[in-house]
Amino acid sequence: GEDVEQSLFLSVREGDSSVINCTYTDSSSTYLYWYKQEPGAGLQLLTYIFSNMDMKQDQRLTVLLNKKDKHLSLRIADTQTGDSAIYFCAEEMNSGYSTLTFGKGTMLLVSP
Amino acid sequence: DGGITQSPKYLFRKEGQNVTLSCEQNLNHDAMYWYRQDPGQGLRLIYYSQIVNDFQKGDIAEGYSVSREKKESFPLTVTSAQKNPTAFYLCASSMGQGFGEKLFFGSGTQLSVL
Repeated sequence: GEDVEQSLFLSVREGDSSVINCTYTDSSSTYLYWYKQEPGAGLQLLTYIFSNMDMKQDQRLTVLLNKKDKHLSLRIADTQTGDSAIYFCAEEMNSGYSTLTFGKGTMLLVSP
Repeated sequence: DGGITQSPKYLFRKEGQNVTLSCEQNLNHDAMYWYRQDPGQGLRLIYYSQIVNDFQKGDIAEGYSVSREKKESFPLTVTSAQKNPTAFYLCASSMGQGFGEKLFFGSGTQLSVL
């Protein structure tokens, strides 16, 4: 079956690094995504990684993929209070059409 | 500016009533989606459409209906058969070209039962 697991909550201080973890179960996943949701709003794509890569860096964001362990992480460097939000991991199945399976989301709280 | 517009922002439903949530996009995207979000839960796919006049059920389609008569529009009707409709509903769109699709989301509609 397909399932995406995330820890529910993470609290950090401003200026620290944040690491949000995700595990998935489908080894045939093609792309894995990180989305951000601010209160009362829709989701915004932050970054994504193709399954044949093990790392992707985009400014303050670093995505690490361990395909053997089916583990995905998002590191946010120099975390700011504006980074406080819910972060969703999502996997795209190799099913011939793009539908995503989302995790339950990790709430990141950044304190001054 | 291109984007996805959902309306209304808040909606209340009485017992036995059908309500329709609007979703319009001007991104020229072929594919559109409806997701349901419950507190502390991930997003669950209700329906999706790859092309005009065609749509497929997602994981939780029971009690919902959709139409796709125009490329820009993908309205969702929450019928009286949906016994637990209170949730945050998100519409999304993508180019519809297959893998590596980036979903663009609207700002959501919060539906509550009176």
